[in-house]
Amino acid sequence: EAGVVQSPRYKIIEKKQPVAFWCNPISGHNTLYWYRQNLGQGPELLIRYENEEAVDDSQLPKDRFSAERLKGVDSTLKIQPAELGDSAVYLCASSLVVAGELFFGEGSRLTVL
Amino acid sequence: AQTVTQSQPEMSVQEAETVTLSCTYDTSESDYYLFWYKQPPSRQMILVIRQEAYKQQNATENRFSVNFQKAAKSFSLKISDSQLGDAAMYFCAYRWDSGNTPLVFGKGTRLSVIA
Repeated sequence: EAGVVQSPRYKIIEKKQPVAFWCNPISGHNTLYWYRQNLGQGPELLIRYENEEAVDDSQLPKDRFSAERLKGVDSTLKIQPAELGDSAVYLCASSLVVAGELFFGEGSRLTVL
Repeated sequence: AQTVTQSQPEMSVQEAETVTLSCTYDTSESDYYLFWYKQPPSRQMILVIRQEAYKQQNATENRFSVNFQKAAKSFSLKISDSQLGDAAMYFCAYRWDSGNTPLVFGKGTRLSVIA
């Protein structure tokens, strides 16, 4: 069974540029999460989807971050414009049900110069 | 708000020896789940072990076991017979058993295994 797939693995951009990350969850997993992991820190939730509905986006900086989950499968996280402080690893995870085990992707490491 | 504290930023252990990673948490809830996740360098995070708060028996998974002290709000991970492949960041995490809350992670402990 394929795991959670994320791309790109690495991205280097200059500040004020846009960037997008893509996530393909495990087939059949209804719940999808985007976490941000700063260097030396644990992951922090940005947004959680139940199918195509964003049910918890309270930690998503909505002035520059946006996310979507079309048809309740793949998801895209976008930052526009990127700031220096956005440098982090962006982790996508999915679970079969909201209370189920989380399966993580390898993450997308963003460096903003 | 629930918080998870890992007081050991780094730990090291000799191969084949035993090491214990500490975790404390703060919550006013009585029903919740606790987890230990492993994150190898440049690899995805994987679940090591999980504990339901209503269970008194400590969870075990092969060489991994926990010491769950509910009254003390402590949840330590013991790794026995440490192997080189155990080297990774280890994150303690908490989730309230409402079915509608996300995982809250600690800052992690970097474990080195010395051959």
